[in-house]
Formats: sequence, structure tokens, C-alpha cells
Amino acid sequence: GENVEQHPSTLSVQEGDSAVIKCTYSDSASNYFPWYKQELGKGPQLIIDIRSNVGEKKDQRIAVTLNKTAKHFSLHITETQPEDSAVYFCAATFGGYSTLTFGKGTMLLVSP
Amino acid sequence: EAGVTQSPTHLIKTRGQQATLRCSPISGHTSVYWYQQALGLGLQFLLWYDEGEERNRGNFPPRFSGRQFPNYSSELNVNALELEDSALYLCASSLSGNYGYTFGSGTRLTVV
Repeated sequence: GENVEQHPSTLSVQEGDSAVIKCTYSDSASNYFPWYKQELGKGPQLIIDIRSNVGEKKDQRIAVTLNKTAKHFSLHITETQPEDSAVYFCAATFGGYSTLTFGKGTMLLVSP
Repeated sequence: EAGVTQSPTHLIKTRGQQATLRCSPISGHTSVYWYQQALGLGLQFLLWYDEGEERNRGNFPPRFSGRQFPNYSSELNVNALELEDSALYLCASSLSGNYGYTFGSGTRLTVV
């Protein structure tokens, strides 16, 4: 069935280091892969997304890569800052619908 | 531009009662999505409404239902509440057929 696996579940880095979060998906027909950041007490916020016809997308310190053959995609955050600390979710579309299936999330902790 | 608004912010109900949660989408958005975020389980898809119709439903029992009004606002109803229904319920909206979700801050439902 529809499934998105996300790793790691927690990630601790020092300020200035890079952070990488990885996700795999099960449906080869998936065509849209967003990443959301959720801060405490708030709803998830879209930070970057990628479509299946693109292999990589970058926006300042964040980037997403997609490997359709292997059915996995990754979030890369460079020069991490304490304000990057939050829970990050990956997601993918399934079955031709616009509904998203989410991974279980990664808690990123950036220490000063 | 006003974001997605959800009410109430918090809701406490007794097991067996009914809960009604409300969502107002971003102006111009016709699709509304409901997700349940229980501790440790990520975001689980509940319902998708577009142009007043239910378009897709997640793997939840029929006591989870909802509707979308002519002004595209939506409500989620949970009947015969169970303790395990305690969770953060998130609403998101998007343009019809567009994947770009914007989430509200959620309603925290506690069943005692």
C-alpha cells in the first residue's frame, strides 16, 4: 500500500554543520514530493518541493534531491542554525490523487 | 492574506460524545484536506473535499465524517469518541488539483 519511510527519526547537529534527511516511497507513480517543517504548537509549513521530472532543487540553504529509479528523495540543509530546530516531514502523492502521504517525521536539533 | 484558520484551538470531550471541528481555507482555495496527527504517528490522511464533494478518504472508520460548504469552509465530525481519537487535527487547503498545501495550526482534541 501507500508508504513513505523517513530516516532518521532524530538528528542532532552542531550549528554550521549540514543535515540530511532521507525518505523512500513505494508508489512508482508518485510525482510530487514536498518537505514540511513543523515548529512547536504550529501547523506544518511547506519549505521546498520537487516534482518527478526534476532531479534536484535548491533554495538558499536547503536543497532536495530525487532518485526516481531508487524511489528515494532527500532533504539537505547546509550551514544549520538553531532556528532550523523543528520536526521535518517528507511526503509523496499516491494513486494519482493530490492527497499526500507523510513520513513519520525527523526531529532536528541544532545546538549553538 | 489570511491563512487557514481552524477552530476551536482546543477541545475536550468525554468518551462517546461527538466533536465538531471547523476549518476556513485560504481565499480562492477550493480543496480542503483533513489530517490526524497523533503522538509518534506522523500525519495520517483523513478526508479530502473539493468543490463541495468528498474526493478521497483515508483508512479511518465511518464515525469520522465531514462536509464542505458552498463557501469552501469545512467541518470534521467525529462521532462516538474514543480515547485514541485524542490528537491534533490539521486542516490544509489548496487550489483545486494543485499539490501545494497550506496547513492551519490545528485543533487539539482531548478525549477523557
